[in-house]
Amino acid sequence: KQEVTQIPAALSVPEGENLVLNCSFTDSAIYNLQWFRQDPGKGLTSLLLIQSSQREQTSGRLNASLDKSSGRSTLYIAASQPGDSATYLCAVSIKAAGNKLTFGGGTRVLVKP
Amino acid sequence: EAQVTQNPRYLITVTGKKLTVTCSQNMNHEYMSWYRQDPGLGLRQIYYSMNVEVTDKGDVPEGYKVSRKEKRNFPLILESPSPNQTSLYFCASRGPGSPQPQHFGDGTRLSIL
Repeated sequence: KQEVTQIPAALSVPEGENLVLNCSFTDSAIYNLQWFRQDPGKGLTSLLLIQSSQREQTSGRLNASLDKSSGRSTLYIAASQPGDSATYLCAVSIKAAGNKLTFGGGTRVLVKP
Repeated sequence: EAQVTQNPRYLITVTGKKLTVTCSQNMNHEYMSWYRQDPGLGLRQIYYSMNVEVTDKGDVPEGYKVSRKEKRNFPLILESPSPNQTSLYFCASRGPGSPQPQHFGDGTRLSIL
């Protein structure tokens, strides 16, 4: 059974520092991996999707890497801002079960001004 | 604007009183799903639908029903709600073809007394 772990559960950094968020998964037979942002009282916003054949994806200050063989993904956020404060979730999907997403527990990030 | 809309956003009700949470998407997506989010357990899939009239169980389907009579709507039905169904619920949809990100609604917070 696929399990997804995110460490640390919470992270506090001063504004301007780079953020590094980790995600690990137990079964490397994934279809893709997706990073989401969740703000309090809001739904999930998709940040980046990495297909299983890719090694990384970039969008603005965000960069996500994928090492399928070791079961790891890392989300880098450059030059953090207070507006980056949120919970970040990673999720992996398998091709079966309609590409069901299995989520990690999330990392709650606070960027202090 | 592309969106997934859930209603209601908040609901407090009592054990045994049937309720329906509606979900509608305006992106003509074939795939839709329901998740629940609980502290310490993360997000878990309840049901999903690959297309109209095609639905299947996710990881935690007990106590829930769904229907998919039209492509845009995917309601979640609790026939006889119980306190252990108190949770934050999310509806999601995804487009067809090569890996597509899932789009989530803003969530419905249900409290069953």
